[in-house]
Amino acid sequence: EIVLTQSPGTLSLSPGERATLSCRASQSVYSNYLAWYQQKPGQAPRLLIYGASSRATGTPDRFSGSGSGTDFALTISRLEPEDFAVYYCQQYASTYVTFGQGTKVEIK
Amino acid sequence: QVQLVQSGGGVVQPGRSLRLSCAASGFAFSTYGIHWVRQAPGKGLEWVAVISHDGSYKYYADSVKGRLTVSRDNSKNTVDLQMNSLRAEDTAVYYCAKNNGSGTFDHWGQGTLVTVSS
Repeated sequence: EIVLTQSPGTLSLSPGERATLSCRASQSVYSNYLAWYQQKPGQAPRLLIYGASSRATGTPDRFSGSGSGTDFALTISRLEPEDFAVYYCQQYASTYVTFGQGTKVEIK
Repeated sequence: QVQLVQSGGGVVQPGRSLRLSCAASGFAFSTYGIHWVRQAPGKGLEWVAVISHDGSYKYYADSVKGRLTVSRDNSKNTVDLQMNSLRAEDTAVYYCAKNNGSGTFDHWGQGTLVTVSS
C-alpha cells in the first residue's frame, strides 16, 4: 500500500497569500498518478488536479500542481475566500487507492 | 448533467446489516467503474471499494474485506454496497464516486451517514 503523508496539517493564511501544500509518498507513484481534491464542510470532495499537474475541468488557474516520484505539491497562488477548505492528495497508481490525511487551509 | 444520488444509511446496531445504493444518471453508466469512499466523523477520506464497469472485478480495502460487498445493475444504473457484520468503526459518511477512466473521481454522490451504535 502506498502511504501518503501531507504537510502541514493546518495552514493559517490570509486572503491574497500564497499557499503551498505538500504530499509525500512512501514509494514512487507510477506515472505521477497523483490527484488533489478540495473538500468544504458538509460537501463531497471535488477533484482539482490529476496527473500531478493537470487541472480538472473548472479548476481556477490559481491552483497548480507539481512534483514527481514521491514528492508532490499543490500551490494556490493567491487565496480567495472560497479556497479555505481541506485538501487531500490521492494516488491512483495502485488498484488500492489511498488518500493523504488532509491539510486544512484556514483563515488567519 | 452527471448525478450520483445516494440512498440508504441510518443507525444500525453492531453486528447488523445495512445496504447503501447509488443511482447514476447523465453519463454512460455501463462504461465507468464506481468507487465507495468513506469519512469517519472529523476524519479524512478512506477508500473502501471499487467495482469495474461491467462488475467483473471488485476490490476492497482490508478494513472491510469479507464484510462489505459491492454490486451493480447496469440495466438500472445503480451500484449497491451491502454492509454486513457492522462495527462501531464503520461509522462514517459513505460516498459513491465515478471513476473518470484514469482512476480519479470526477463526480461524487452527496454522501450518506451510517452510524453503528447500540
